[in-house]
Amino acid sequence: GESVGLHLPTLSVQEGDNSIINCAYSNSASDYFIWYKQESGKGPQFIIDIRSNMDKRQGQRVTVLLNKTVKHLSLQIAATQPGDSAVYFCAENIRGYQKVTFGTGTKLQVIP
Amino acid sequence: DTGVSQDPRHKITKRGQNVTFRCDPISEHNRLYWYRQTLGQGPEFLTYFQNEAQLEKSRLLSDRFSAERPKGSFSTLEIQRTEQGDSAMYLCASSLGGGEETQYFGPGTRLLVL
Repeated sequence: GESVGLHLPTLSVQEGDNSIINCAYSNSASDYFIWYKQESGKGPQFIIDIRSNMDKRQGQRVTVLLNKTVKHLSLQIAATQPGDSAVYFCAENIRGYQKVTFGTGTKLQVIP
Repeated sequence: DTGVSQDPRHKITKRGQNVTFRCDPISEHNRLYWYRQTLGQGPEFLTYFQNEAQLEKSRLLSDRFSAERPKGSFSTLEIQRTEQGDSAMYLCASSLGGGEETQYFGPGTRLLVL
């Protein structure tokens, strides 16, 4: 994938608004997708996952949408809070293989 | 705290020295993974264990790197003759296995090679 070095794409959102973070994945054979949240100095934290036989999955305040036709994944966060500020990574996996491939992260900044 | 733990959290070493990191997975997780993350990038897969067996290694894992999981519980990652390019965050993750593939990550060990 394309390297963005130190300059992560950034999404700035007003507190209380909804956030949408997008991701284009690379491997059409991938059948399991995960969103992780990573705060500064911490390891990635699991948010939500989805298998390729689904196109939508909802969690608490989060929804993941999968469009296999265009290899696109999105994470929607409802009523964004300051604690949601972090870098968000999408990740993909092929069933039977253990390697998880991470995409380029998106930095979410929540404006109070 | 029953999550993945890693030790040390930070390590500063001089070029040419050897370093060893430890990872304790979530109890009863039989799969353990090591990743490396550099600033501004997503984690990159290094290697994977199913119990004590190392089943997959990335080409990123040069011959200076070795990982073990001798009893199928904790794991160690050793880097010999460190180079400045080894400076990164080293992340460990574990998963339950048996169809449950979600990987849960530890806090990482940040390595700085001077």
